[in-house]
Amino acid sequence: NAGVTQTPKFQVLKTGQSMTLQCAQDMNHEYMSWYRQDPGMGLRLIHYSVGAGITDQGEVPNGYNVSRSTTEDFPLRLLSAAPSQTSVYFCASSYSYYGSQPQHFGDGTRLSIL
Amino acid sequence: AQKITQTQPGMFVQEKEAVTLDCTYDTSDQSYGLFWYKQPSSGEMIFLIYQGSYDEQNATEGRYSLNFQKARKSANLVISASQLGDSAMYFCAMREGQGNQFYFGTGTSLTVIP
Repeated sequence: NAGVTQTPKFQVLKTGQSMTLQCAQDMNHEYMSWYRQDPGMGLRLIHYSVGAGITDQGEVPNGYNVSRSTTEDFPLRLLSAAPSQTSVYFCASSYSYYGSQPQHFGDGTRLSIL
Repeated sequence: AQKITQTQPGMFVQEKEAVTLDCTYDTSDQSYGLFWYKQPSSGEMIFLIYQGSYDEQNATEGRYSLNFQKARKSANLVISASQLGDSAMYFCAMREGQGNQFYFGTGTSLTVIP
């Protein structure tokens, strides 16, 4: 039972490079989301999706793109990496976006931008 | 305004004693859900307990209970009989009924002292 799988676990980029953080879940969850975690700031929502083909912005969307072509996958793209995007990124999913369903989190991706 | 406020950056508790972690929230929705997560030093996010806004009883899960005071908009986590393994960051989160977003607090770092 894999749950939510994030790859890679660690990544170092140079300023201006682009990359995609992968997120896959095998629980047939409708709702998927991306957060970044910075010291003293908790988790902040970047983008989320309530189903395949539907995405929307969260609190801190600038510099990131997402798409949801399948129920299982929700990749996060950094278009042109900046040092301010150095953070730990978490992908999460839940059966629905209402009710008592908790979000299940991946193990995170530690991203450093030089 | 912050949706979720956790005012205790760090807490200490003696092993086997109880501890309360504070959480206040801000919403105008009548329907909402409150969640607590634990993040050990290994980094994963672990769901602990859920309280719905219409739930009349305080939620309990083993040694975890939620002291829900709706009029005060507080949802404090109580950990009874603390164990060394309870040392971690604890995050309070809210899902509003009218939206698709989850909001997290900045977290409380709990250290259990032997």
